[in-house]
Amino acid sequence: QQQVKQSPQSLIVQKGGISIINCAYENTAFDYFPWYQQFPGKGPALLIAIRPDVSEKKEGRFTISFNKSAKQFSLHIMDSQPGDSATYFCAARNYGGATNKLIFGTGTLLAVQP
Amino acid sequence: DTAVSQTPKYLVTQMGNDKSIKCEQNLGHDTMYWYKQDSKKFLKIMFSYNNKELIINETVPNRFSPKSPDKAHLNLHINSLELGDSAVYFCASSLQHGLNEKLFFGSGTQLSVL
Repeated sequence: QQQVKQSPQSLIVQKGGISIINCAYENTAFDYFPWYQQFPGKGPALLIAIRPDVSEKKEGRFTISFNKSAKQFSLHIMDSQPGDSATYFCAARNYGGATNKLIFGTGTLLAVQP
Repeated sequence: DTAVSQTPKYLVTQMGNDKSIKCEQNLGHDTMYWYKQDSKKFLKIMFSYNNKELIINETVPNRFSPKSPDKAHLNLHINSLELGDSAVYFCASSLQHGLNEKLFFGSGTQLSVL
């Protein structure tokens, strides 16, 4: 079963707008939640990550919001730019547990229109 | 000075053939992985090695055999290739900072089985 559910599957945003991608998980033992960015023809690259002891983490235009009680986390891209057009993956990991590996969401294809 | 390099980038072959994909990382990481990305962009872990020792072996057919001659190299050999093996295969290595982990991916090998 899909342990990390990601939505939407695709997203079109105008330049300067806010892109929002959501993820939900079931396993409360997950303790590390990264987001990866993948450009066509390239491997995914770590964008930003959060641990469940904080509710928000911001790095430049990228922010993760984390809701532990709802078992949800989201990526917000402020002032979206055409260069942000890529596929975004959320992921989760339980360090030291049975799922001691990164489990990825299904990906969101983001297109930022100029 | 590519961090994680894998060869070849493209591999086109007939059903039933045997092929190998090579991966090398120059980051000094102890852990390396093989991931499979299907046509819907879904990323799934196949194998993980830590310092040449197999630590994760997902439910992958026995036709797939990883080999790690040293901690900087992780190769993937595939026997009796099938149509369903067509996908992009990513090698990755990771750096563990305490409970956080950052994966560095190669650029992928696009395998097409005809």
